[in-house]
Amino acid sequence: QKEVEQNSGPLSVPEGAIASLNCTYSDRGSQSFFWYRQYSGKSPELIMSIYSNGDKEDGRFTAQLNKASQYVSLLIRDSQPSDSATYLCAVNPYTNAGKSTFGDGTTLTVKP
Amino acid sequence: GAVVSQHPSRVICKSGTSVKIECRSLDFQATTMFWYRQFPKQSLMLMATSNEGSKATYEQGVEKDKFLINHASLTLSTLTVTSAHPEDSSFYICSARVGTAGGYTFGSGTRLTVV
Repeated sequence: QKEVEQNSGPLSVPEGAIASLNCTYSDRGSQSFFWYRQYSGKSPELIMSIYSNGDKEDGRFTAQLNKASQYVSLLIRDSQPSDSATYLCAVNPYTNAGKSTFGDGTTLTVKP
Repeated sequence: GAVVSQHPSRVICKSGTSVKIECRSLDFQATTMFWYRQFPKQSLMLMATSNEGSKATYEQGVEKDKFLINHASLTLSTLTVTSAHPEDSSFYICSARVGTAGGYTFGSGTRLTVV
């Protein structure tokens, strides 16, 4: 079992729809959770951080964390073609809080 | 916001030569930097963790004599690919964490092509 698992996709949604990206992790003691966006040919950029159970909203993005279920998700409302990218989930395991473990990413395509 | 500057962005070298990639933290001090490699359409692969003033920690399967990492100051870490071969052609990316619990800031990446 991978430490951080994501659906590889590709996930395709029409413009204006809600895109839902999911991630599960194995280390129950993990404390910090992140979502990165990576455009093709570019390096990742941090778009959301979440540290406590519940929802965290930033513009069109909402991160959701459920530590009991070891599950973190990212919702993108009113999806735009410019949101088409690979989204990486990252977790800081309890055993090494300084180093993030990344999922393999989910590729999202938003169709006009 | 925190910026990590990575150079060069693109390099083509001949087989057998060495290539140095630099990463600088511009507005913060990075005691630790992480070096990743990414092949086309594949996930990030952590190669090593560089620590200012001490030896880098390499991930299993990464040849430390081939991928030399130096972290001589709080703002500069370098990765040297020695005796490069075509199979070393990849996208190399550095990153650093701002603060103790935040996410990473990534450099813009270096696309290495060995011919």
